[in-house]
Amino acid sequence: DIQMTQSPSSLSASVGDRLTITCRADQNIDTYLNWYQQKSGRAPNLLIFGASTLQSGVPSRFSGSGSGTHFTLTISSLQPEDFATYYCQQSHTTPLTFGGGTKVEI
Amino acid sequence: QLQESGPGLVKPSQTLSLTCTVSGGSISTDDYYWTWIRQSPGKGLEWIGYIYFRGSTYYNPSLESRVYISVDTSKNQFSLSLRSVTAADTALYYCVGQDSSRYFFASWGQGTLVTVSS
Repeated sequence: DIQMTQSPSSLSASVGDRLTITCRADQNIDTYLNWYQQKSGRAPNLLIFGASTLQSGVPSRFSGSGSGTHFTLTISSLQPEDFATYYCQQSHTTPLTFGGGTKVEI
Repeated sequence: QLQESGPGLVKPSQTLSLTCTVSGGSISTDDYYWTWIRQSPGKGLEWIGYIYFRGSTYYNPSLESRVYISVDTSKNQFSLSLRSVTAADTALYYCVGQDSSRYFFASWGQGTLVTVSS
């Protein structure tokens, strides 16, 4: 299985901050990398697919980059509704696997 | 939209059975595979497997010996069976629409908690 490692596992931030979350794969996954946001008590919600393509309806303050084994999710200006847990997921090889999550707290 | 249904409590060694009802669109589409994912504090998010509306399946090898996913196109539903459950199978189970070309998870049910306990 492809192992996905996110860092940090949690962080504290303030409204207006620029935030970067890192996801690493233990083998080359090209741009088959997706990002999800999960708020407390809710299902995950797709933010970005293909490493950098914003899902319809997702605010433009979210962006993704990377290829191969190193990927980042950036929130340009953190908003109150962005406090949540973020997961990366590789879709290069089955079984599909997720990172362990990054919890963004106030 | 997707909605899970099924028992919230299953005894050890028995079979966990869940159904997902797809509404607002047909399950008979080439755009999606119909997928089960579970989430537990200990193992995080775990992809269980998927079914295509024509019946082909793919399961996570870690669960393959115990998992069966089926589809009923007449009811716009798909189902999960997980045999010989233990406490380690206690989790929040989601049914999900998985993009069939890029394998990302586009549409999620709200999730249903299944507890394995006697």
